[in-house]
Amino acid sequence: RKEVEQDPGPFNVPEGATVAFNCTYSNSASQSFFWYRQDCRKEPKLLMSVYSSGNEDGRFTAQLNRASQYISLLIRDSKLSDSATYLCVVNRHGQNFVFGPGTRLSVLP
Amino acid sequence: DGGITQSPKYLFRKEGQNVTLSCEQNLNHDAMYWYRQDPGQGLRLIYYSQIVNDFQKGDIAEGYSVSREKKESFPLTVTSAQKNPTAFYLCASEGLHGYTFGSGTRLTVV
Repeated sequence: RKEVEQDPGPFNVPEGATVAFNCTYSNSASQSFFWYRQDCRKEPKLLMSVYSSGNEDGRFTAQLNRASQYISLLIRDSKLSDSATYLCVVNRHGQNFVFGPGTRLSVLP
Repeated sequence: DGGITQSPKYLFRKEGQNVTLSCEQNLNHDAMYWYRQDPGQGLRLIYYSQIVNDFQKGDIAEGYSVSREKKESFPLTVTSAQKNPTAFYLCASEGLHGYTFGSGTRLTVV
């Protein structure tokens, strides 16, 4: 089993829709969690960190469920510019980051 | 502005040739990483370095080599032993708020 798993998609949604991605991780010692965004043929960029209490940044909400070992990302009011691949990332203290394979989102006009 | 710079952006390699990808950062980060990404795939760790003059193999180190003589620089050499080197190579450094990536080098074998 891979250490970080994501539904590869693609998720095709209309503009204005709400879409949610889930990510599961296998290592219970994981301590830090992030969502990165990667546009086609570009480098990944940090979208947001994920905190135990959940956190929100504008239209984006991230949540962590340590007991079930999953992380979620909710995007409200989808924009065309949200089309990208979303990477789930976890790491243990002192260890390197482990990237999920990514979930591809296409927001359609 | 602080950042991480990779060069070249595109690189073509002939069979049997070694090539070196450059990665430079001015973020004063200790840890640096090299990843490989194949089309439709996630990032796979090649090598990483937590501190100057020290580096460790990642999950797919075979056919690659690195050096870390300076904090700012972490070059990756793709040797002729790497049988399938065509991929997108990403360098990253680690700060307090996660990884910062360079813009990548797209390597193609011709």
